[in-house]
Amino acid sequence: EAEVAQSPRYKITEKSQAVAFWCDPISGHATLYWYRQILGQGPELLVQFQDESVVDDSQLPKDRFSAERLKGVDSTLKIQPAELGDSAMYLCASSLDGQKFFGPGTRLTVL
Amino acid sequence: GQNIDQPTEMTATEGAIVQINCTYQTSGFNGLFWYQQHAGEAPTFLSYNVLDGLEEKGRFSSFLSRSKGYSYLLLKELQMKDSASYLCAVNNAGNMLTFGGGTRLMVKP
Repeated sequence: EAEVAQSPRYKITEKSQAVAFWCDPISGHATLYWYRQILGQGPELLVQFQDESVVDDSQLPKDRFSAERLKGVDSTLKIQPAELGDSAMYLCASSLDGQKFFGPGTRLTVL
Repeated sequence: GQNIDQPTEMTATEGAIVQINCTYQTSGFNGLFWYQQHAGEAPTFLSYNVLDGLEEKGRFSSFLSRSKGYSYLLLKELQMKDSASYLCAVNNAGNMLTFGGGTRLMVKP
Protein backbone atom coordinates (compact mmCIF):
# COMPACT_ATOMS: atom_id res chain seq x y z
CA GLU A 1 0.00 0.00 0.00
CA ALA A 2 1.37 3.44 -0.95
CA GLU A 3 2.47 5.65 1.93
CA VAL A 4 3.70 9.15 2.56
CA ALA A 5 7.40 9.05 3.40
CA GLN A 6 9.14 11.50 5.71
CA SER A 7 12.70 11.84 6.90
CA PRO A 8 14.31 12.08 9.29
CA ARG A 9 11.96 10.52 11.84
CA TYR A 10 13.72 12.25 14.72
CA LYS A 11 15.91 15.34 14.83
CA ILE A 12 17.65 16.97 17.76
CA THR A 13 19.27 20.32 17.20
CA GLU A 14 20.47 23.32 19.13
CA LYS A 15 18.74 26.65 18.91
CA SER A 16 19.95 28.94 16.14
CA GLN A 17 20.87 25.96 13.95
CA ALA A 18 19.20 25.17 10.63
CA VAL A 19 17.08 22.06 10.13
CA ALA A 20 15.35 20.58 7.09
CA PHE A 21 12.65 17.97 6.74
CA TRP A 22 11.77 16.00 3.64
CA CYS A 23 8.45 14.57 2.49
CA ASP A 24 7.63 12.30 -0.44
CA PRO A 25 3.86 12.12 -1.00
CA ILE A 26 1.91 9.22 -2.42
CA SER A 27 2.53 9.01 -6.15
CA GLY A 28 0.04 11.09 -8.12
CA HIS A 29 -1.18 13.14 -5.17
CA ALA A 30 -1.23 16.74 -6.30
CA THR A 31 -1.94 18.31 -2.92
CA LEU A 32 0.69 18.28 -0.18
CA TYR A 33 0.44 19.70 3.33
CA TRP A 34 2.88 20.46 6.11
CA TYR A 35 1.46 20.51 9.64
CA ARG A 36 3.06 21.26 12.99
CA GLN A 37 1.73 19.51 16.07
CA ILE A 38 2.77 20.65 19.51
CA LEU A 39 2.40 18.01 22.22
CA GLY A 40 -1.17 17.79 23.48
CA GLN A 41 -2.63 19.89 20.66
CA GLY A 42 -4.14 19.24 17.26
CA PRO A 43 -2.08 19.65 14.08
CA GLU A 44 -1.78 23.20 12.77
CA LEU A 45 -1.47 23.78 9.03
CA LEU A 46 1.76 25.51 8.01
CA VAL A 47 1.58 25.34 4.22
CA GLN A 48 -0.51 23.73 1.47
CA PHE A 49 0.78 23.02 -2.03
CA GLN A 50 -1.15 22.23 -5.18
CA ASP A 51 1.45 20.71 -7.47
CA GLU A 52 4.40 23.11 -7.20
CA SER A 53 2.33 26.15 -6.21
CA VAL A 54 1.66 27.39 -2.69
CA VAL A 55 -2.09 27.49 -2.03
CA ASP A 56 -1.93 28.70 1.57
CA ASP A 57 1.01 29.64 3.76
CA SER A 58 -0.73 32.17 5.97
CA GLN A 59 0.29 30.33 9.16
CA LEU A 60 3.92 29.78 8.12
CA PRO A 61 6.35 31.96 10.16
CA LYS A 62 8.12 33.25 7.09
CA ASP A 63 10.92 34.96 8.97
CA ARG A 64 12.38 31.56 9.80
CA PHE A 65 10.39 28.89 7.94
CA SER A 66 10.45 28.12 4.25
CA ALA A 67 8.87 25.36 2.18
CA GLU A 68 9.31 24.32 -1.40
CA ARG A 69 8.01 21.72 -3.82
CA LEU A 70 9.99 22.60 -6.90
CA LYS A 71 8.88 19.79 -9.22
CA GLY A 72 5.48 19.26 -7.69
CA VAL A 73 6.45 15.93 -6.17
CA ASP A 74 8.54 15.82 -2.99
CA SER A 75 8.82 18.75 -0.63
CA THR A 76 11.26 20.24 1.87
CA LEU A 77 10.45 22.29 4.96
CA LYS A 78 13.29 24.31 6.44
CA ILE A 79 13.70 26.19 9.70
CA GLN A 80 16.53 28.68 10.09
CA PRO A 81 17.31 29.54 12.80
CA ALA A 82 15.53 27.02 15.02
CA GLU A 83 14.08 28.25 18.30
CA LEU A 84 13.12 26.36 21.46
CA GLY A 85 9.43 26.82 20.68
CA ASP A 86 9.83 24.95 17.40
CA SER A 87 10.04 21.64 19.24
CA ALA A 88 7.09 19.68 17.86
CA MET A 89 6.04 16.92 15.48
CA TYR A 90 6.12 18.00 11.84
CA LEU A 91 3.60 16.06 9.78
CA CYS A 92 3.35 15.83 6.03
CA ALA A 93 0.14 14.75 4.32
CA SER A 94 -0.93 14.27 0.73
CA SER A 95 -4.34 14.20 -0.91
CA LEU A 96 -5.85 13.25 -4.25
CA ASP A 97 -9.64 13.12 -4.04
CA GLY A 98 -10.36 14.63 -0.65
CA GLN A 99 -8.96 12.02 1.70
CA LYS A 100 -5.72 13.04 3.39
CA PHE A 101 -2.96 10.53 4.14
CA PHE A 102 -0.34 11.35 6.75
CA GLY A 103 3.29 10.39 6.88
CA PRO A 104 4.92 9.15 10.11
CA GLY A 105 6.13 12.63 11.02
CA THR A 106 9.44 14.13 12.07
CA ARG A 107 9.82 14.79 15.78
CA LEU A 108 12.00 17.86 16.30
CA THR A 109 13.62 18.69 19.62
CA VAL A 110 15.39 22.02 19.92
CA LEU A 111 17.81 22.31 22.84
CA GLY B 1 -11.92 31.47 9.68
CA GLN B 2 -12.71 28.15 11.28
CA ASN B 3 -13.41 27.17 14.87
CA ILE B 4 -13.53 23.53 15.95
CA ASP B 5 -14.33 22.42 19.49
CA GLN B 6 -14.09 19.00 21.08
CA PRO B 7 -13.62 17.86 24.70
CA THR B 8 -10.04 17.68 25.88
CA GLU B 9 -10.27 14.36 27.71
CA MET B 10 -12.69 11.48 28.20
CA THR B 11 -12.52 8.28 30.19
CA ALA B 12 -14.50 5.11 29.52
CA THR B 13 -14.55 1.46 30.55
CA GLU B 14 -13.45 -1.48 28.43
CA GLY B 15 -16.45 -2.98 26.62
CA ALA B 16 -18.53 0.18 26.92
CA ILE B 17 -19.66 2.73 24.32
CA VAL B 18 -18.29 6.28 24.15
CA GLN B 19 -19.37 9.26 22.06
CA ILE B 20 -16.92 12.05 21.25
CA ASN B 21 -18.59 15.27 20.12
CA CYS B 22 -17.25 17.92 17.79
CA THR B 23 -18.80 21.29 16.96
CA TYR B 24 -17.50 23.54 14.24
CA GLN B 25 -17.96 26.90 12.57
CA THR B 26 -16.55 27.23 9.11
CA SER B 27 -16.90 28.91 5.75
CA GLY B 28 -17.10 26.67 2.70
CA PHE B 29 -17.67 23.31 4.39
CA ASN B 30 -16.48 20.37 2.33
CA GLY B 31 -16.52 17.40 4.67
CA LEU B 32 -15.51 16.37 8.16
CA PHE B 33 -12.85 13.83 9.08
CA TRP B 34 -12.12 11.85 12.22
CA TYR B 35 -8.60 10.62 12.86
CA GLN B 36 -7.13 8.42 15.56
CA GLN B 37 -3.68 9.26 16.88
CA HIS B 38 -1.66 7.15 19.29
CA ALA B 39 1.03 8.91 21.29
CA GLY B 40 4.07 9.71 19.18
CA GLU B 41 2.48 8.49 15.96
CA ALA B 42 0.86 10.14 12.95
CA PRO B 43 -2.93 10.48 12.67
CA THR B 44 -4.68 7.57 10.97
CA PHE B 45 -7.93 7.98 9.06
CA LEU B 46 -11.12 6.73 10.70
CA SER B 47 -14.04 8.30 8.86
CA TYR B 48 -15.20 10.97 6.45
CA ASN B 49 -18.67 12.58 6.41
CA VAL B 50 -19.75 15.02 3.74
CA LEU B 51 -23.53 14.47 3.88
CA ASP B 52 -25.80 14.45 6.92
CA GLY B 53 -26.31 11.16 8.65
CA LEU B 54 -24.51 8.24 10.18
CA GLU B 55 -21.59 6.37 8.63
CA GLU B 56 -20.84 3.02 10.22
CA LYS B 57 -17.58 1.15 9.93
CA GLY B 58 -17.20 -1.78 12.25
CA ARG B 59 -16.99 -0.67 15.87
CA PHE B 60 -16.69 2.98 14.82
CA SER B 61 -19.50 5.23 13.57
CA SER B 62 -19.52 8.91 12.72
CA PHE B 63 -22.47 11.27 12.49
CA LEU B 64 -22.79 14.66 10.83
CA SER B 65 -25.36 17.44 10.97
CA ARG B 66 -24.30 20.27 8.69
CA SER B 67 -27.13 22.58 9.77
CA LYS B 68 -26.03 22.29 13.40
CA GLY B 69 -22.30 22.31 12.72
CA TYR B 70 -22.06 19.12 14.73
CA SER B 71 -20.48 15.71 14.46
CA TYR B 72 -19.78 12.82 16.77
CA LEU B 73 -17.62 9.73 16.72
CA LEU B 74 -19.12 6.68 18.39
CA LEU B 75 -16.87 3.87 19.56
CA LYS B 76 -18.54 0.58 20.57
CA GLU B 77 -17.18 -2.39 22.47
CA LEU B 78 -14.23 -0.38 23.67
CA GLN B 79 -10.87 -2.08 23.81
CA MET B 80 -7.75 -1.03 25.68
CA LYS B 81 -6.03 -0.33 22.36
CA ASP B 82 -8.64 2.37 21.66
CA SER B 83 -6.86 4.59 24.19
CA ALA B 84 -5.64 7.39 21.95
CA SER B 85 -6.38 10.93 20.85
CA TYR B 86 -9.27 11.43 18.46
CA LEU B 87 -9.03 14.39 16.13
CA CYS B 88 -11.97 16.10 14.46
CA ALA B 89 -10.98 17.96 11.29
CA VAL B 90 -13.00 20.09 8.88
CA ASN B 91 -12.25 20.32 5.17
CA ASN B 92 -13.09 23.57 3.40
CA ALA B 93 -13.81 24.33 -0.23
CA GLY B 94 -10.11 24.90 -0.88
CA ASN B 95 -9.35 21.38 0.35
CA MET B 96 -7.68 22.80 3.44
CA LEU B 97 -8.02 20.62 6.53
CA THR B 98 -8.30 22.31 9.92
CA PHE B 99 -8.04 20.27 13.10
CA GLY B 100 -9.59 20.61 16.51
CA GLY B 101 -7.42 20.22 19.57
CA GLY B 102 -8.14 16.51 19.88
CA THR B 103 -9.86 14.42 22.55
CA ARG B 104 -7.66 12.16 24.61
CA LEU B 105 -9.60 8.98 25.38
CA MET B 106 -8.48 6.74 28.22
CA VAL B 107 -9.99 3.25 28.32
CA LYS B 108 -9.86 1.60 31.73
CA PRO B 109 -10.28 -2.09 32.56
